[in-house]
Amino acid sequence: GENVEQHPSTLSVQEGDSAVIKCTYSDSASNYFPWYKQELGKGPQLIIDIRSNVGEKKDQRIAVTLNKTAKHFSLHITETQPEDSAVYFCAASFTGNTPLVFGKGTRLSVIA
Amino acid sequence: ETGVTQTPRHLVMGMTNKKSLKCEQHLGHNAMYWYKQSAKKPLELMFVYNFKEQTENNSVPSRFSPECPNSSHLFLHLHTLQPEDSALYLCASSPSTSGRAKNIQYFGAGTRLSVL
Repeated sequence: GENVEQHPSTLSVQEGDSAVIKCTYSDSASNYFPWYKQELGKGPQLIIDIRSNVGEKKDQRIAVTLNKTAKHFSLHITETQPEDSAVYFCAASFTGNTPLVFGKGTRLSVIA
Repeated sequence: ETGVTQTPRHLVMGMTNKKSLKCEQHLGHNAMYWYKQSAKKPLELMFVYNFKEQTENNSVPSRFSPECPNSSHLFLHLHTLQPEDSALYLCASSPSTSGRAKNIQYFGAGTRLSVL
């Protein structure tokens, strides 16, 4: 089955700097890669996703890149703000009947 | 608000107690999920229901018993739990369990469970 590795487990950046979180997956059949943000006391919220037919997707300060050959994908947050502080999870799945498989999460702290 | 409501938000129970977690979604979705979230571990999928039918049981111990009376409500009945079952239990819903719609999952805020 699918296995998703996520790094780093914790990340601290200064406000205004960029943050990058990386994930690798094992199943070459996976074709959907979402990122979730979990704030304290809340459930994970989908912030951006990418499908295997594109290499990059951007939404304001957030971007995701996908390298299908190397089987890794990354989340990029630019101009970080304190409200970006949260735990971020990557996930992977094949859009059939297989469930989402999540990484262990990255705790991002943005220091003002 | 995500449209997925979980109650209670916090629960403390002894190992001999019986309790239930409740999840309700107001999104018109047909699929609902239970996940377990423990510290420093990936989200663990427990159960999947599609149109009230259980489609996945991810080798969950029988002391966890799900119930899905309709597409909007999902319960997790707890009985004789162990301290290692202490975790955040998350409910999610999605339009369906297959195709692109499966992957758009909306999560509730979770129930923080402590087993003493």
